[in-house]
Amino acid sequence: AQTVTQSQPEMSVQEAETVTLSCTYDTSENNYYLFWYKQPPSRQMILVIRQEAYKQQNATENRFSVNFQKAAKSFSLKISDSQLGDTAMYFCAFMKPSGGGADGLTFGKGTHLIIQP
Amino acid sequence: GAVVSQHPSRVICKSGTSVKIECRSLDFQATTMFWYRQFPKKSLMLMATSNEGSKATYEQGVEKDKFLINHASLTLSTLTVTSAHPEDSSFYICSAIIPGGRAGNEQFFGPGTRLTVL
Repeated sequence: AQTVTQSQPEMSVQEAETVTLSCTYDTSENNYYLFWYKQPPSRQMILVIRQEAYKQQNATENRFSVNFQKAAKSFSLKISDSQLGDTAMYFCAFMKPSGGGADGLTFGKGTHLIIQP
Repeated sequence: GAVVSQHPSRVICKSGTSVKIECRSLDFQATTMFWYRQFPKKSLMLMATSNEGSKATYEQGVEKDKFLINHASLTLSTLTVTSAHPEDSSFYICSAIIPGGRAGNEQFFGPGTRLTVL
């Protein structure tokens, strides 16, 4: 079984600053996917960024980027030029491919990110 | 994009009654759907994997007789909470993946259902 650990229950930064959310995981699998999801107060889960374990290049999506260290089993999320709308819960998640589909996601406990004006 | 809906968004029921929650993939066929449970200010916990045309696979510790899952078509999975009790009160979220590993196995989430058992 795999575990996902997010050690920062809450973080607060000023608007326009850069913030990094940490995530570590434990697995014996070699092929897997890692995700960061955002959950705003509406509680709709929104995919922020995805990383395939076999890809060495770190994924980026506009202001969001990851630092994926496979050997260290670390997957941190960096948010640049933070905006008020980034305020939300952020969940790191692990998924193992399964046959022609996929297993369910294993989530970390989440980090509540607050962007101050 | 891939859209997943859930119905109802909120439900309040009396203890001992059963409640059905529907999860639909609106613009794609989903052979696999997942059901998660989220307690207040907590993370999501996978309850079960719902496969079209076959029995659901439940995670350890989830009572299959309490949480009945039916995936009768390629666009609909239902979760029935039987003989609900106040401890079943929670936020239930479903997700679906596009078959064949397309979209990078991304899971598309429904908006969730808040269940309150009185």
